[in-house]
Amino acid sequence: AQSVTQPDIHITVSEGASLELRCNYSYGATPYLFWYVQSPGQGLQLLLKYFSGDTLVQGIKGFEAEFKRSQSSFNLRKPSVHWSDAAEYFCAVGPYSQGGSEKLVFGKGTKLTVNP
Amino acid sequence: DARVTQTPRHKVTEMGQEVTMRCQPILGHNTVFWYRQTMMQGLELLAYFRNRAPLDDSGMPKDRFSAEMPDATLATLKIQPSEPRDSAVYFCASGSGKVGELFFGEGSRLTVL
Repeated sequence: AQSVTQPDIHITVSEGASLELRCNYSYGATPYLFWYVQSPGQGLQLLLKYFSGDTLVQGIKGFEAEFKRSQSSFNLRKPSVHWSDAAEYFCAVGPYSQGGSEKLVFGKGTKLTVNP
Repeated sequence: DARVTQTPRHKVTEMGQEVTMRCQPILGHNTVFWYRQTMMQGLELLAYFRNRAPLDDSGMPKDRFSAEMPDATLATLKIQPSEPRDSAVYFCASGSGKVGELFFGEGSRLTVL
């Protein structure tokens, strides 16, 4: 069965420091992988996605993620964190189920706190 | 600026009452998803529509939950009767058919006393 694990429930970094959020997945075929961000009181917003090709993908807000098939990982990175990046980040994998479904499986999320 | 609109944003009700949450997907999107978010379970998919037809509601408690799309501009999620364990944030998301590229509403926070 498809699953997503985000090992870190909560991460704290200082503003200007680099960031890496971990994501491991279990999927029976070549996955589509996604990172979403949720600011407090808001819905989720798509940061970036990987379908195929270059394993390093760029997203919005200066984020990037690298797909490593051998490690079943899709870690999110940012070279220099801004206070506005404080939010919860969700990794997702899909599609799953039969019939060309577009459904995703989401991880439990990593909450990011940014210290001034 | 196209966005998914959900109402109500907040709802407090008593156990046993009926609750209806509404969602207006982005115009032109043909898929609609209902998710429930809790601290314990995270994001759970409740129901999924494509072109207004329900494709999957396996994640939804059938005895009390129902989801419909009366037309292309409205999706509803109904709970009857509501229970305290239904307290959560319910999100609607719509998409244009590209796998995983979903646009989420701001959610409806439900508290059942």
